[in-house]
Amino acid sequence: NAGVTQTPKFQVLKTGQSMTLQCAQDMNHEYMSWYRQDPGMGLRLIHYSVGAGITDQGEVPNGYNVSRSTTEDFPLRLLSAAPSQTSVYFCASSSTPDRDSPLHFGNGTRLTVT
Amino acid sequence: GESVGLHLPTLSVQEGDNSIINCAYSNSASDYFIWYKQESGKGPQFIIDIRSNMDKRQGQRVTVLLNKTVKHLSLQIAATQPGDSAVYFCAERVRADYKLSFGAGTTVTVRA
Repeated sequence: NAGVTQTPKFQVLKTGQSMTLQCAQDMNHEYMSWYRQDPGMGLRLIHYSVGAGITDQGEVPNGYNVSRSTTEDFPLRLLSAAPSQTSVYFCASSSTPDRDSPLHFGNGTRLTVT
Repeated sequence: GESVGLHLPTLSVQEGDNSIINCAYSNSASDYFIWYKQESGKGPQFIIDIRSNMDKRQGQRVTVLLNKTVKHLSLQIAATQPGDSAVYFCAERVRADYKLSFGAGTTVTVRA
């Protein structure tokens, strides 16, 4: 079991560029989510999915898109990168959304937008 | 041991002492709480969880206490070790909401 795998580990973008952050889990988890982590602000929820074909917005969704075509994958797309999107991005999953199960996190993607 | 009555962003602990990390949660409807540990360059790692129908839960060297009356959560670490140096986050969830909300975190530094 690899758990939650995020790629790439590091990325530098220029303002206006687009890119996709990849996330895959091999635990057959129904629930997946994306967080961003900024200094002094903890982790903020961007988007989440309670199952394949279902996505919803979190606390800070603007500028990001997601899709969930399979149970395993939950990519995060930056449509037109801005310096305010410089952050560390974490993907996380748990078994089912309505059970008391903790989130399992990947090791993050560190994104810099210049 | 060392403790903080209110949430503080940093905590310095002597190796071997007990640590207490506090967290105030915001939503009285939250029914599930988790403590995470995050080491530098890594994702948050699950430590222990507790449901709202419990007041206390113990793990290996860690204890979580929940006081729903004042919406307060604490994590106690026994015999703190250098490997316990990390940022600790509390998280809360409202069952019907599916979302896990995180606190700002406490950086714990263990002094040799």
